[in-house]
Amino acid sequence: EAGVVQSPRYKIIEKKQPVAFWCNPISGHNTLYWYLQNLGQGPELLIRYENEEAVDDSQLPKDRFSAERLKGVDSTLKIQPAELGDSAVYLCASSLEPWGKHNEQFFGPGTRLTVL
Amino acid sequence: AQSVAQPEDQVNVAEGNPLTVKCTYSVSGNPYLFWYVQYPNRGLQFLLKYITGDNLVKGSYGFEAEFNKSQTSFHLKKPSALVSDSALYFCAVRDFRNDMRFGAGTRLTVKP
Repeated sequence: EAGVVQSPRYKIIEKKQPVAFWCNPISGHNTLYWYLQNLGQGPELLIRYENEEAVDDSQLPKDRFSAERLKGVDSTLKIQPAELGDSAVYLCASSLEPWGKHNEQFFGPGTRLTVL
Repeated sequence: AQSVAQPEDQVNVAEGNPLTVKCTYSVSGNPYLFWYVQYPNRGLQFLLKYITGDNLVKGSYGFEAEFNKSQTSFHLKKPSALVSDSALYFCAVRDFRNDMRFGAGTRLTVKP
């Protein structure tokens, strides 16, 4: 069974440029998460999707960050414009059952973003 | 809101010795507790979870964790450490109403 796929694995951009990350969850997983992981820290949730609906985006900085999961399968996270402080690893995860259940999340390898 | 603390940034053990990685939590209601491991340049991998039942939970790669409600702890343990266990370990907690909250992580180094 394929795991969570993320691309690109690494991205280097200059500040004020746009950037997008893509995630394809495990087949059949209807819950998808985007996390931000700063160096030396644990992941912090940015947004959670149940199918195509964003059910928790309270931690997403909406002035520059946006996300979509149009068909309830793969998802894209965008930053426009990027700032120096956005340098981090962006992790995507998926799980089998909706929020409120206690199933574990499966993580992708992440995209390491460097903003110069 | 729930929270989780990993009091040790770094744990060093010798190969073959037992290891413990500590985790304490704060949550309203019954906790759901998880341990994940992260190897360099890779995403988090699930090790084990506590939902209900026996306080001692067994997981992948010989790891286990003990849930202690009175001390609000969920320490990760392994009877005999391997060099290949060297990685970053994250404890996480969620209650029924909230998403997963991760600790800051503990770097485990197992020396030959």
